[in-house]
Parts: sequence; C-alpha cells; structure tokens
Amino acid sequence: QQQVKQSPQSLIVQKGGISIINCAYENTAFDYFPWYQQFPGKGPALLIAIRPDVSEKKEGRFTISFNKSAKQFSLHIMDSQPGDSATYFCAASPYAGGTSYGKLTFGQGTILTVHP
Amino acid sequence: GAVVSQHPSRVICKSGTSVKIECRSLDFQATTMFWYRQFPKKSLMLMATSNEGSKATYEQGVEKDKFLINHASLTLSTLTVTSAHPEDSSFYICSASIRGNEQYFGPGTRLTVT
Repeated sequence: QQQVKQSPQSLIVQKGGISIINCAYENTAFDYFPWYQQFPGKGPALLIAIRPDVSEKKEGRFTISFNKSAKQFSLHIMDSQPGDSATYFCAASPYAGGTSYGKLTFGQGTILTVHP
Repeated sequence: GAVVSQHPSRVICKSGTSVKIECRSLDFQATTMFWYRQFPKKSLMLMATSNEGSKATYEQGVEKDKFLINHASLTLSTLTVTSAHPEDSSFYICSASIRGNEQYFGPGTRLTVT
C-alpha cells in the first residue's frame, strides 16, 4: 500500500516535444505529491508539487495533473529541451504532522532523454 | 534559500573501517532530516528519519548499529557507516525539511568500500 508506481522507465523525446510521465499510488493517506529531477551524481531537486485539493498545477514548462479518484498523477514537460535530460522521480507522502514527518515514498524513476 | 550540503562528496575507505558523512542545512533550521541510499539507476530508498535531539527512526531492514545517525543540532545530522564492507558502497543522500512536507536534498556522497 506504500508503493508508488511510475512509468515509463525510460522516455525519448525530440526537442520541442511534450514529455509525459505517470505515477499511481494506493495509499489514500498520501496528500503531498512532488516531482524531483536528478542529474547523474547529484541529489534530487524539487521541480513541482501538488496537493489533492487541486487537479492541476503549472509552473513554467512543468505541469502536474492530478486525478484523486483514480489515484494517479502525471508530470508534463512542455517544449522539452536537451537540458531536461535527467531522471525524474515522482513521490508521495502523508501529512507531515504527527509521527510521519512527511516521509516520502518514491517511484522507480524515469530516464528522460531529449534529442536535439 | 533552502540549501543542504553534504561532506564529503566522495569517499573511499578500506573494508572494516568506519566513515562519517555530514549533512548540513545552510540557511535554515531543519526540524527533520532524512537519510537515503541510492543504487545505480535505482530509486531512493529511505534509511532513517531523524529529529534534532532524539533518536533516529530506522526503516525496516536497516541496521541501526551499522548506520549510526546523530542529529546534534537543527542544522547538522551525521551518518556513520560502521565497519564498512563492499556491499555498503552506494550513493548516500540526505534531505532536510522545515515542519512540512517539502524536503530539500543534499548533493549526495559517493561511498566506495574497497
């Protein structure tokens, strides 16, 4: 019930195209859903995050779509650039109060390659 | 803002020795720090959660006597890998949070045990 399933494992997109990565979860206690970008040999960096009270959040070229009833959320990268080539992780955590301290459960990761 | 540093970035040690990794929040006080382990081309695996001044909470399957965590202040947590063996070689990443869900990650430490 703690799992977050992410797909696809890898994704190749042409420059200017749209990259779409999907995640699904089972634990209804999750209420915070971030996406992280990680370059080789570096720590993850927060890209964008959403809570279940909204269905979509957009920041620049990055958009999260959230479907609470389906327990799914996705990351859309518009106008994908070669510099976006990295590994992307979705994650989920319960409310940060109490004893959970907002522990993140990560998806398996998606290696995105954007060709020039 | 919200910068987390780790030291060292890379360390090579001999089997049987201990290694200490530091995690610092540079511009904020972190109520909670987390330690993760990441294998090549794999996801992040949470090892433990630590709060300043209290004992760390370890995830199932993580040996607390093997991976000692100390959270001495609101800006510093340390992970000590005791009696390291080659199978402990990995990428160790810490993160810090300020009373909420958002976690800020450090750059990671590459540990190689020979």
